Amino acid sequence: DADVTQTPRNRITKTGKRIMLECSQTKGHDRMYWYRQDPGLGLRLIYYSFDVKDINKGEISDGYSVSRQAQAKFSLSLESAIPNQTALYFCATSDWTKADEQFFGPGTRLTVL
Amino acid sequence: AQSVTQPDIHITVSEGASLELRCNYSYGATPYLFWYVQSPGQGLQLLLKYFSGDTLVQGIKGFEAEFKRSQSSFNLRKPSVHWSDAAEYFCAVGDSGYSTLTFGKGTMLLVSP
Repeated sequence: DADVTQTPRNRITKTGKRIMLECSQTKGHDRMYWYRQDPGLGLRLIYYSFDVKDINKGEISDGYSVSRQAQAKFSLSLESAIPNQTALYFCATSDWTKADEQFFGPGTRLTVL
Repeated sequence: AQSVTQPDIHITVSEGASLELRCNYSYGATPYLFWYVQSPGQGLQLLLKYFSGDTLVQGIKGFEAEFKRSQSSFNLRKPSVHWSDAAEYFCAVGDSGYSTLTFGKGTMLLVSP
């Protein structure tokens, strides 16, 4: 079984809809991250969480929100999706003892029409 | 703020030939450096990492990278490329104080027969 899972893997939605992307991990890591990937731009950090009570904005948090429901679960929400949020979204985890080494999920491809 | 530059957007290498992918970083202190690989439709997999010590680091799949502080570089190398190495490669620098990664924009490796 995969250590970091993301659901859904693919989603097509319309402008203005609320969307939630979910991430779960079985690695026992305390730290979790959300990134988006756009062609030619690499990965950019949206939000990160060091534990259940700690949420931090990343480089591009506008238009997004997150919820850390448990140590193993970290959800990303788009309250009102817009077309320029069409991208590949990745969740990642890390252990505080090896904080900079991150493990990635398979990604969610989101298309906003 | 830290930054990473991958000067080559695409590189084509013949199967069996050697490979070098370039990465330059900007960071005020001793950096934590990483190379990740993303195969088509997949998440990111860690190839290797540099935290401290020996400046030549070995990774998985026969890859190695050399940290050169004087040149602010962390280039990825492989002596003989296989067709299965065709993928996108990302260099990243870690901020050990905040445990976030900054990624380069990636280099797409194409392997010709």
